[in-house]
Amino acid sequence: AQSVTQLGSHVSVSEGALVLLRCNYSSSVPPYLFWYVQYPNQGLQLLLKYTSAATLVKGINGFEAEFKKSETSFHLTKPSAHMSDAAEYFCAVTTSGTYKYIFGTGTRLKVLA
Amino acid sequence: GAGVSQTPSNKVTEKGKYVELRCDPISGHTALYWYRQSLGQGPEFLIYFQGTGAADDSGLPNDRFFAVRPEGSVSTLKIQRTERGDSAVYLCASSLGMTSAPLIYEQYFGPGTRLTVT
Repeated sequence: AQSVTQLGSHVSVSEGALVLLRCNYSSSVPPYLFWYVQYPNQGLQLLLKYTSAATLVKGINGFEAEFKKSETSFHLTKPSAHMSDAAEYFCAVTTSGTYKYIFGTGTRLKVLA
Repeated sequence: GAGVSQTPSNKVTEKGKYVELRCDPISGHTALYWYRQSLGQGPEFLIYFQGTGAADDSGLPNDRFFAVRPEGSVSTLKIQRTERGDSAVYLCASSLGMTSAPLIYEQYFGPGTRLTVT
């Protein structure tokens, strides 16, 4: 069975500062990993995905994530936070042949002016 | 192109009533998923369809919940004898089918239906 842990339910950063949102996964087989963003009263939007190709994955809006098998991590980063990045971010895992996602509990990002 | 659509966007019902939630996936997507998101939580898987058949319904919490997809496109999630604990946002997602691996693993979500049981 797979699982995802997102450390930090709330993260605050200053505008222009580095954004780091943590995601650790557990899976007995090679995982596929995803980051989604959810703005208030909206659905989930795919930011980026890891499906066993390059371990450093670039997504939309300047976000990127690195798959580290040795650390079972898939942390999301952005060099410089923007006010529009304020939202809730979810990490999700699935595996080949499984299809359903297992989501973390989410991290709410607040960007301070 | 059009994304995943869900209707209604909001549904308020009384305890014990029956409700239906509708999902219209992206055209050409043969895989469809239902998730439930409670306040302050991540989405939880309910059921997955490949075409018309439910390939995995392991997330349905009990027999009050049922979903159909009779023509392999639109899906309806049905909840009987609603309880206050069913209040949540119900999310639908779709993806390309198994022949499009690994793209099947990329799910596109609708805006959700917020269900409130009073």
